[in-house]
Amino acid sequence: TQLLEQSPQFLSIQEGENLTVYCNSSSVFSSLQWYRQEPGEGPVLLVTVVTGGEVKKLKRLTFQFGDARKDSSLHITAAQPGDTGLYLCAGAGNTGKLIFGQGTTLQVKP
Amino acid sequence: ETGVTQSPTHLIKTRGQQVTLRCSSQSGHNTVSWYQQALGQGPQFIFQYYREEENGRGNFPPRFSGLQFPNYSSELNVNALELDDSALYLCASSQGPWTDTQYFGPGTRLTVL
Repeated sequence: TQLLEQSPQFLSIQEGENLTVYCNSSSVFSSLQWYRQEPGEGPVLLVTVVTGGEVKKLKRLTFQFGDARKDSSLHITAAQPGDTGLYLCAGAGNTGKLIFGQGTTLQVKP
Repeated sequence: ETGVTQSPTHLIKTRGQQVTLRCSSQSGHNTVSWYQQALGQGPQFIFQYYREEENGRGNFPPRFSGLQFPNYSSELNVNALELDDSALYLCASSQGPWTDTQYFGPGTRLTVL
């Protein structure tokens, strides 16, 4: 069974701080995706990483895919209250379905 | 906005009842996947439909069933509702089966009393 473990599950920080969210598995994934979800809405895709060691940047967000394609991280620089939300990583499993981590709830206080 | 719509937005049912949730996929997408998301958790894959056929199923009992129509819209049916079925039900559409990029709708919040 392919599983994705996210850490931390909850994060409450002050505006301007940096943070990193981790997504780990013992299984290899063909790709990993990061989503952000706000209350009452569906997940919105932020990025897809495909190649081991790949780094992608989206403004203040930096995404990295591990060399072995088993883990990924999301780093946010100078967090803002608008970054508040549930961050989800998802892997494309060996049957093609998306396997989600349990999510990281981020609260950025002004 | 992804162009994926779901109805209804909210629904309250009692244990033992049956429910039907609906999803309209994004234009040009022929694949719909359904997920269940419990409060504070990540979504869990229920099943996927591609060109009106079920194309993969997660670890959900047979009382969870679905349909996909010729226009690629989809329904999720749940029979004999249980309290634990209370969750946000998400559908996601994509351009084909087993493609990485799926676009999610806003979800239907189901409460079972």
